[in-house]
Amino acid sequence: GQQLNQSPQSMFIQEGEDVSMNCTSSSIFNTWLWYKQDPGEGPVLLIALYKAGELTSNGRLTAQFGITRKDSFLNISASIPSDVGIYFCAGSYNNNDMRFGAGTRLTVKP
Amino acid sequence: GAGVSQTPSNKVTEKGKYVELRCDPISGHTALYWYRQSLGQGPEFLIYFQGTGAADDSGLPNDRFFAVRPEGSVSTLKIQRTERGDSAVYLCASSLTRAGTRYEQFFGPGTRLTVL
Repeated sequence: GQQLNQSPQSMFIQEGEDVSMNCTSSSIFNTWLWYKQDPGEGPVLLIALYKAGELTSNGRLTAQFGITRKDSFLNISASIPSDVGIYFCAGSYNNNDMRFGAGTRLTVKP
Repeated sequence: GAGVSQTPSNKVTEKGKYVELRCDPISGHTALYWYRQSLGQGPEFLIYFQGTGAADDSGLPNDRFFAVRPEGSVSTLKIQRTERGDSAVYLCASSLTRAGTRYEQFFGPGTRLTVL
């Protein structure tokens, strides 16, 4: 079963708004990753974080690896319609055993 | 270059039947992973191959599930005596795991399995 708590489960926002979602875990991870999944496709990696405290950006996306190694957040600034989809956090301790959150479903209203 | 491919894209079968799901990883990727994704959930780890051997099969739910990767490239996930609860999207991913490379799994589009 899932070991990560991801919130919120869903978000309905207006185009241009900023978005924030996060994940927490009861156990520590060495790697945190954020994926986006569109209908009928596999998850696509957005951002990978490898060090506690690390803050990484990818265009309008910013993610941070929590200092405790048990949490991470993803921010999306100035949302656009194509940001619609399901965002998953994933954590890994040994780099080969990745656990996913249940996802945040994002809807962007034009 | 080509990404991870999975066949078939959809598979409908009857309860009790045997099914095989195929994954073609990205060329040169030594690590291959299988996940199962139920509706409204994130992918759930099933098994991980490093080369030809299963390095971690702790996610396989029971002995009806089996996976092989005989030549270290293509992998087949096999499900015996399928049950309705096996219905899900089965995702495959591959990655490079050479020392010094950053960890990144690339996913295929998945096979949607429906057990009637």
